[in-house]
Amino acid sequence: GAVVSQHPSRVICKSGTSVKIECRSLDFQATTMFWYRQFPKQSLMLMATSNEGSKATYEQGVEKDKFLINHASLTLSTLTVTSAHPEDSSFYICSAPKTGAGYGYTFGSGTRLTVV
Amino acid sequence: RKEVEQDPGPFNVPEGATVAFNCTYSNSASQSFFWYRQDCRKEPKLLMSVYSSGNEDGRFTAQLNRASQYISLLIRDSKLSDSATYLCVVTSNTGKLIFGQGTTLQVKP
Repeated sequence: GAVVSQHPSRVICKSGTSVKIECRSLDFQATTMFWYRQFPKQSLMLMATSNEGSKATYEQGVEKDKFLINHASLTLSTLTVTSAHPEDSSFYICSAPKTGAGYGYTFGSGTRLTVV
Repeated sequence: RKEVEQDPGPFNVPEGATVAFNCTYSNSASQSFFWYRQDCRKEPKLLMSVYSSGNEDGRFTAQLNRASQYISLLIRDSKLSDSATYLCVVTSNTGKLIFGQGTTLQVKP
């Protein structure tokens, strides 16, 4: 149980375009979703925390106008990378706290973004 | 100073060896502690939670020392399939997961 489905798994886009990444909780309600970014050989860095029905909270140094987060329902959170540039190429991954029985966090399978 | 620090390695060990990884965290208010495993280009997967009393799961033993703000992971009888990056993860009092850089383990035949 507590599965998060993340799409797309891989995307290549041109500089200047926008890319939307979706994370859906399949069998539970995710009131909170954490969005991380991981550059090669580096740690997962928290970008922002989205809460259903309210504005996302961004970590220091993350541009909220560039990384748009929407959490309009209890089962869907989206991250849109606007006007993508090559330096935005990274592995983006979402995570939600498990609810109900059990403990811990469940992760989406990640999205590898390449901006060319 | 990073909030969670790990030696990135790589640790190259032969099959059957025992290997230990260490991790330190800076925030004494940290609530929960975990070891995650991440295979190349995949999402992290929970390996085990870490408690002050220590916990063991098969060949894996995790230990937490709150006074020293130090977490360890011991892997006994290493298998080739243990090759991966091991992430030390700490939660803040707001529930955020803070990841260490990860320690890479390569188990050789």
